[in-house]
Amino acid sequence: SQKIEQNSEALNIQEGKTATLTCNYTNYSPAYLQWYRQDPGRGPVFLLLIRENEKEKRKERLKVTFDTTLKQSLFHITASQPADSATYLCALVNYGQNFVFGPGTRLSVLP
Amino acid sequence: EAGVAQSPRYKIIEKRQSVAFWCNPISGHATLYWYQQILGQGPKLLIQFQNNGVVDDSQLPKDRFSAERLKGVDSTLKIQPAKLEDSAVYLCASSSLQGPGELFFGEGSRLTVL
Repeated sequence: SQKIEQNSEALNIQEGKTATLTCNYTNYSPAYLQWYRQDPGRGPVFLLLIRENEKEKRKERLKVTFDTTLKQSLFHITASQPADSATYLCALVNYGQNFVFGPGTRLSVLP
Repeated sequence: EAGVAQSPRYKIIEKRQSVAFWCNPISGHATLYWYQQILGQGPKLLIQFQNNGVVDDSQLPKDRFSAERLKGVDSTLKIQPAKLEDSAVYLCASSSLQGPGELFFGEGSRLTVL
């Protein structure tokens, strides 16, 4: 069956450092992979998507990599700020617009 | 552009009672999703509509959950009768058929079953 894992339930880092979050999956061949941010009591908000034939995407301080051989995506936040503290979810998407979400990683950026 | 609207934001009921949630997606979005998110977990798909047709309801507990999307716009999700394990946030999301299909989520409806 399909399985998505995200590294550690929680990740604490110091302000200014780079946060690296991992998304691993099995038994799935996504057309693309998306990352969302979710704040407490709010719905997830889309951040970035990367297609199966892309290796890397960047947007401001965010960078996503996608390795379909390893079945893994890495999500980086450079120069992290306390305002980046949230839960980050990865989602695998197929061509039928079926979205499967990982369990999320709760990131805390300490001042 | 108005976002995805959901109501109510909070609902507390006793087990075996019924509850209904409403969702109005972004105007023009053909695809609508209902997700269940239990505390500390990622969203789990309950049902996916495209216009007013069901695309995927394989994970919907059909003995107690039902959903409809009349006229291909807003949608309701009903639980009857509720169980303790239904306590969760029910998220509605919509996406356009155009482009890669990022999801736009509402704020969610938090259900507590006592």
